[in-house]
Amino acid sequence: DVVMTQSPLYLPVTLGQPASISCRSSQSLVNGDGNTFLNWFHQRPGQSPRRLIYQVSTRESGVPDRLSGSGSGTDFTLKISRVEAEDVGVYYCMQASHWPLTFGGGTKVEIK
Amino acid sequence: EVQLLESGGGSVQPGGSLRLSCAASGFTFSSFDMSWGRQAPGKGLEWVASFGGRDTATYYADSVKGRFSISKDNSKNTLFLQMNNLRAEDTAVYYCAKGYHFDSWGQGALVTVSS
Repeated sequence: DVVMTQSPLYLPVTLGQPASISCRSSQSLVNGDGNTFLNWFHQRPGQSPRRLIYQVSTRESGVPDRLSGSGSGTDFTLKISRVEAEDVGVYYCMQASHWPLTFGGGTKVEIK
Repeated sequence: EVQLLESGGGSVQPGGSLRLSCAASGFTFSSFDMSWGRQAPGKGLEWVASFGGRDTATYYADSVKGRFSISKDNSKNTLFLQMNNLRAEDTAVYYCAKGYHFDSWGQGALVTVSS
């Protein structure tokens, strides 16, 4: 199984400052078709998760361009250029390139 | 707008069974893969099972294989998860999701397995 490792586990951030979350996979997420199915999700307290980014770097409709995804192979990053209050919650990466599908353990983002 | 509405959650004793349903709307249900994920209290997200949209293939996490069964009724736009021989470690909020990539999520259904 592909193990997804996120860091840090906890990220205290200052409003208006940048933030970055790392996600590493135990094997390459490039599948047999040459696609990389790496997704990022955000879960606010008491809410269902919401997908923010798919295929490494494509933002969902309505996701602000302050958020961006990058990376390749086994090393991926979610960046927030300027943190806003609505960004608090837990962020998860998930790979869908290989069965079984696997999630990272999550990164909790809080405002300092 | 995609809407996914889970139902069928509840409390059950170890070894018991439950059947979750997910009513879907806002997209062509028959054309899409669908998935179930779960989140144990205070824990992270875990993929449980998926059903292929075109090829009707099914996929299961090792932790539920042989006990859970995913199915899809395209005539009713409904996804199901039959859960048998439930264990305490199956206690979680169960989410229905569109696609293998969890494009959209439902609000979740709480399943509690306890004696």
